[in-house]
Amino acid sequence: EIVLTQSPGTLSLSPGERAILSCRASQSVTSSYLAWYQQKPGQAPRLLIYGASSRATGIPDRFSGSGSGTDFTLTISRLEPEDFALYYCHQFSSSRTFGQGTKVEIK
Amino acid sequence: QVQLVQSGAEVKKPGASVKVSCKASGYTFTDHYMHWVRQAPGQGLEWMGWINPDSGGTQYAEKFQGRVTLTRDTSITTASMELSRLRSDDTAVFFCTRGSRLAAAGKSAFDIWGQGTMVTVSS
Repeated sequence: EIVLTQSPGTLSLSPGERAILSCRASQSVTSSYLAWYQQKPGQAPRLLIYGASSRATGIPDRFSGSGSGTDFTLTISRLEPEDFALYYCHQFSSSRTFGQGTKVEIK
Repeated sequence: QVQLVQSGAEVKKPGASVKVSCKASGYTFTDHYMHWVRQAPGQGLEWMGWINPDSGGTQYAEKFQGRVTLTRDTSITTASMELSRLRSDDTAVFFCTRGSRLAAAGKSAFDIWGQGTMVTVSS
């Protein structure tokens, strides 16, 4: 099973700042099969990024994804109040697994 | 619009079974795999398995093999997840979520999610 390790566990930032979230895989992941989701309390996850770097429909361009192999990154260029949430990476290159999540909280 | 609407919250005793349903609308139900994901309170996301709504074929995560059964009823565009021999650590929110097109060459991320169904297992 491919284990995804997200870091940091919690990111404390102010609105307007840049957030950089990391997702490291225990073995190589095909970039096409790496996605990022946002989840707010009491809600279902929402797809943000697929194919490691493509934004899903309706996702603002302040969200961007990059990476390949075992190291992937989600960047939020300027945090808006609605961006404070939990973020999960997800691989479906081999079976399907999720990272444990990174919480982006208001500093 | 494309949506998945799940059945309501359940409370079950240990050892019992629970069945959660997921009604799809706004797209052709038999065109996409349907997956199920579990989220225990305060925890992350855990993939349980998928069903091919066209053929009824299934694949389950090893952890749930033997305890989970995914089914579908194409006449009412509804997928269902039944989990048996419930334990207290099965207390969680269960999500259905849309996956790849059956006709696609590769796999895709989960683009549409149900609202989630809370299942509480308690004696």
